[in-house]
Amino acid sequence: IAGITQAPTSQILAAGRRMTLRCTQDMRHNAMYWYRQDLGLGLRLIHYSNTAGTTGKGEVPDGYSVSRANTDDFPLTLASAVPSQTSVYFCASRLAGGHTQYFGPGTRLTVL
Amino acid sequence: TQLLEQSPQFLSIQEGENLTVYCNSSSVFSSLQWYRQEPGEGPVLLVTVVTGGEVKKLKRLTFQFGDARKDSSLHITAAQPGDTGLYLCAGPGGTSYGKLTFGQGTILTVHP
Repeated sequence: IAGITQAPTSQILAAGRRMTLRCTQDMRHNAMYWYRQDLGLGLRLIHYSNTAGTTGKGEVPDGYSVSRANTDDFPLTLASAVPSQTSVYFCASRLAGGHTQYFGPGTRLTVL
Repeated sequence: TQLLEQSPQFLSIQEGENLTVYCNSSSVFSSLQWYRQEPGEGPVLLVTVVTGGEVKKLKRLTFQFGDARKDSSLHITAAQPGDTGLYLCAGPGGTSYGKLTFGQGTILTVHP
């Protein structure tokens, strides 16, 4: 069982380019989350999905979009990347009724 | 938005020393969680505290939830280099079940 996988591991991107960060879980968890992590700011929620077919905005959603076509996959798209989106991005999942979030290994994104 | 303030932000100690990390809020939380994150990895849940005044122990780590459920602390006894990492507190955030609000984190370095 892999848990949560994220791809790519790291990416350097030119400003203005479109980028999709991939997240896949094999635990059949209902809820999934995308966070960005910046030094001194902790983890901030970008978007979330409580179940396949539904999504919601988190604390810092601007410039990002998500989709949840099925239980396993929760891609995060940056339509037109800007340097302020340079960060480490973590995907997480949670089983319905549970309190624990399980995190992927992260994607380090640099926007130049 | 319920905020969690962690202190200190950085902690550098020698092996064998004791330390305490604090997580404070002006809001009441139904529960608080502590996560530990190692470099290049995602956070991993250490403990969840749910009752005011609750104390939980995990080997050399002691977690306490304040009586008023507005604060929590993590105490490490006889720290070891393997304790090095980022420690994050988190509590339920927003109206959607399962969403978490994270503190800024405490970066702990234990020198041999």
